[in-house]
Amino acid sequence: AQSVTQLDSHVSVSEGTPVLLRCNYSSSYSPSLFWYVQHPNKGLQLLLKYTSAATLVKGINGFEAEFKKSETSFHLTKPSAHMSDAAEYFCVVTLGGSYIPTFGRGTSLIVHP
Amino acid sequence: DVKVTQSSRYLVKRTGEKVFLECVQDMDHENMFWYRQDPGLGLRLIYFSYDVKMKEKGDIPEGYSVSREKKERFSLILESASTNQTSMYLCASSPRPEKLGFHTEAFFGQGTRLTVV
Repeated sequence: AQSVTQLDSHVSVSEGTPVLLRCNYSSSYSPSLFWYVQHPNKGLQLLLKYTSAATLVKGINGFEAEFKKSETSFHLTKPSAHMSDAAEYFCVVTLGGSYIPTFGRGTSLIVHP
Repeated sequence: DVKVTQSSRYLVKRTGEKVFLECVQDMDHENMFWYRQDPGLGLRLIYFSYDVKMKEKGDIPEGYSVSREKKERFSLILESASTNQTSMYLCASSPRPEKLGFHTEAFFGQGTRLTVV
């Protein structure tokens, strides 16, 4: 079985400060891992993905994530938050033997001026 | 540009009606999925299909059925709509991983916001 845990339902930061959105997964197999973003009333957009190449993955809009197998984590970071980053973020895992993307419950990122 | 198209952005239906949600993808993907999105619960899988005429139950299939008669089209059916099926419904597709050697991302439609009154 696979599962994804996003450790924070809400994260609040000030504009210009770093962002950290945490994600842990449970899996017995090598996973593929993804982060998606969803702005209000918009569809899901892929931010970045890990598919067993480099463990540090760079995505769009200055986001990056590091795959740490020993910690079963795939945390999303950004050095400096922008107001336009305010959105819902989803961590997603797909196992080697499964076709199915499994979603975390989401983290709402709030950015204060 | 890859595209997953859901037939309606907004729908309002009455309790007891039979409801069809349609999804079409133009990427020749084998896998297609229907998810339901509710605040605080993320996306939960209703049904998926890995080939034409094939379907598998997801985590919350009760009250739903699906149809996949053609590769590009995956329909979600609410046999008798109820108010607890008021939600955002998202369709997605992805290629079979064996073709690429790894899992690529799933591509999502814009969603259908269904209200059952």
